Amino acid sequence: EVQLLESGGDLVQPGGSLRLSCAASGFTFSSYAVSWVRQAPGKGLEWVSAISSNGGRTYYADSVKGRFTISRDNSKNTLYLQMNSLRAEDTAVYYCAREVSASGFFDHWGQGTLVTVSS
Amino acid sequence: EIVLTQSPGTLSLSPGERATLSCRASQSVNRNYLAWYQQKPGQAPRLLIYGASSRATGIPDRISGSGSGTDFTLTISRLEPEDFAVYYCQQYGSTPLTFGGGTKVEIK
Repeated sequence: EVQLLESGGDLVQPGGSLRLSCAASGFTFSSYAVSWVRQAPGKGLEWVSAISSNGGRTYYADSVKGRFTISRDNSKNTLYLQMNSLRAEDTAVYYCAREVSASGFFDHWGQGTLVTVSS
Repeated sequence: EIVLTQSPGTLSLSPGERATLSCRASQSVNRNYLAWYQQKPGQAPRLLIYGASSRATGIPDRISGSGSGTDFTLTISRLEPEDFAVYYCQQYGSTPLTFGGGTKVEIK
């Protein structure tokens, strides 16, 4: 069974940093591109960042470019999101999601981890 | 960036009725790379449709997708109790990937 399990969400002050993790199991992690997608409380979905299967290519939404860094460790079957210079508007549930054939749509999602940016 | 506009914002229907949800793109979606997801409260989104009209694994045939270019539709032919949820469209034909604002299907 495909599983994605996010962790690392917390309450952090504006300007602070946080690292999210997503542990994958039940499939060959190194064969799939993966993304982070977030959802602010009561709002819709927003794609944040993506990384290719071997980690060689990364992509970011303009809203996080220069502040967030996506990475992966295929030996640990884990995806990461390093979040710096956090703002109130980054408050959201962050989901990791597996892409189908590196196409850009998602067939499996984690349960999400909540990041709250507030003083 | 392609902006996706979903309508209506809320659809109030009874079980057994037909639901028609619209997703309109600000420019043509490459190769009709349009997906639909269902999300229930406290849960992650679930893939329903990809490539505008292909059902994901395990999705019942009462749920269908259609459309091309800039206009796409998700149809639920007969609403079951488990279909009341929020639905999002997403385009993956160009970066950045973008989602629509969602349509809530609620029980009338």
